[in-house]
Amino acid sequence: DSGVTQTPKHLITATGQRVTLRCSPRSGDLSVYWYQQSLDQGLQFLIQYYNGEERAKGNILERFSAQQFPDLHSELNLSSLELGDSALYFCASSVGTRRADTQYFGPGTRLTVL
Amino acid sequence: AQSVTQLGSHVSVSEGALVLLRCNYSSSVPPYLFWYVQYPNQGLQLLLKYTSAATLVKGINGFEAEFKKSETSFHLTKPSAHMSDAAEYFCAVSDWGTNTGNQFYFGTGTSLTVIP
Repeated sequence: DSGVTQTPKHLITATGQRVTLRCSPRSGDLSVYWYQQSLDQGLQFLIQYYNGEERAKGNILERFSAQQFPDLHSELNLSSLELGDSALYFCASSVGTRRADTQYFGPGTRLTVL
Repeated sequence: AQSVTQLGSHVSVSEGALVLLRCNYSSSVPPYLFWYVQYPNQGLQLLLKYTSAATLVKGINGFEAEFKKSETSFHLTKPSAHMSDAAEYFCAVSDWGTNTGNQFYFGTGTSLTVIP
């Protein structure tokens, strides 16, 4: 158990819909990262927040957005969903923003778009 | 940007045999390198990491990796494979991201099968 929690574990929805994925980091960690894992794209970095502020942005679509709240939990919002958005979405957390910081991963949310 | 290449998307070894999973990196700055393992339907678990302290890094479950700058490699090894080692293994390099952040670049993964 990494200490990172993600809800829900599974999510099934239809094209065009909007969903919210939730992540709680390990106690004491200030950074939260979101990754997408799919068969064709592998593990792709989406976005990072540190203590409530966006710090790094990767291959995140404009239809996707995220935020980190004062209690440090984070939410990833996916809108206008397409079939290709079906994937595993992982949240990870770390103490800070150093390159040497270990990222601890949650169990993931499996999103299926029908 | 930095990147990692994992040679061999599938590796099969017999139980008790040596495990060798290959990772080569590309980096314009001294790299920080990580190996993670992913069991079916689970998240990624850290095996070990290299942060320039020592070139031979020991991790959990008997795994170790050696950083070789001249070969730009960080291969993962285990002397004797166990059935429980069957999983997907990912190599990652940490890089600076936009706006003072940081991010991991992951390899495409290697699926390890252990044959009884």
